[in-house]
Amino acid sequence: EPEVTQTPSHQVTQMGQEVILRCVPISNHLYFYWYRQILGQKVEFLVSFYNNEISEKSEIFDDQFSVERPDGSNFTLKIRSTKLEDSAMYFCASSRLSYEQYFGPGTRLTVT
Amino acid sequence: EDKVVQSPLSLVVHEGDTVTLNCSYEVTNFRSLLWYKQEKKAPTFLFMLTSSGIEKKSGRLSSILDKKELSSILNITATQTGDSAIYLCAGPTKQGGSEKLVFGKGTKLTVNP
Repeated sequence: EPEVTQTPSHQVTQMGQEVILRCVPISNHLYFYWYRQILGQKVEFLVSFYNNEISEKSEIFDDQFSVERPDGSNFTLKIRSTKLEDSAMYFCASSRLSYEQYFGPGTRLTVT
Repeated sequence: EDKVVQSPLSLVVHEGDTVTLNCSYEVTNFRSLLWYKQEKKAPTFLFMLTSSGIEKKSGRLSSILDKKELSSILNITATQTGDSAIYLCAGPTKQGGSEKLVFGKGTKLTVNP
């Protein structure tokens, strides 16, 4: 069964460094998303992406964040200058019709 | 602001028990409600309920939508230790071209042998 994949599974970085989190959505899906979950808190929406552009972004998704679909398969989230409070689990999701979203296994980002 | 509230936040039962998890939602322009199961990492999709499909069933799990009360329940019968997880309820909202999911805090279910 097709699934969303994410790499790396765990990323440790120092404050101020740039990180790129990678996702490969399900191949026939058209809508792509990033969510994050700080330990013990809700899953929170960051950004949605459709037709090669951002459809919607949350207040969390400030100028330090960017997303890209550099080729036909990858979908990336970049954080330019990480802060301690960026430590969280980051989930990529994709959907075909924008209703049922399927989540990847997540990347645990630890900022020290 | 769109909001999804789940109860209880935590539940401990014994194998074989039946549990009911609750979700209430206030989302703009309701279209559907989704249930996910989160074990160690990613939320895995369980059900989507819409106005045209207000009850779903898969094995021991079933879910009902009450559109009038803006709520949903998730039932698990004959619980097993493998059902231990956080169960998330989410409501899609749409602004612009795509949906985003608004999640509740989840119900942490622990099934003891």
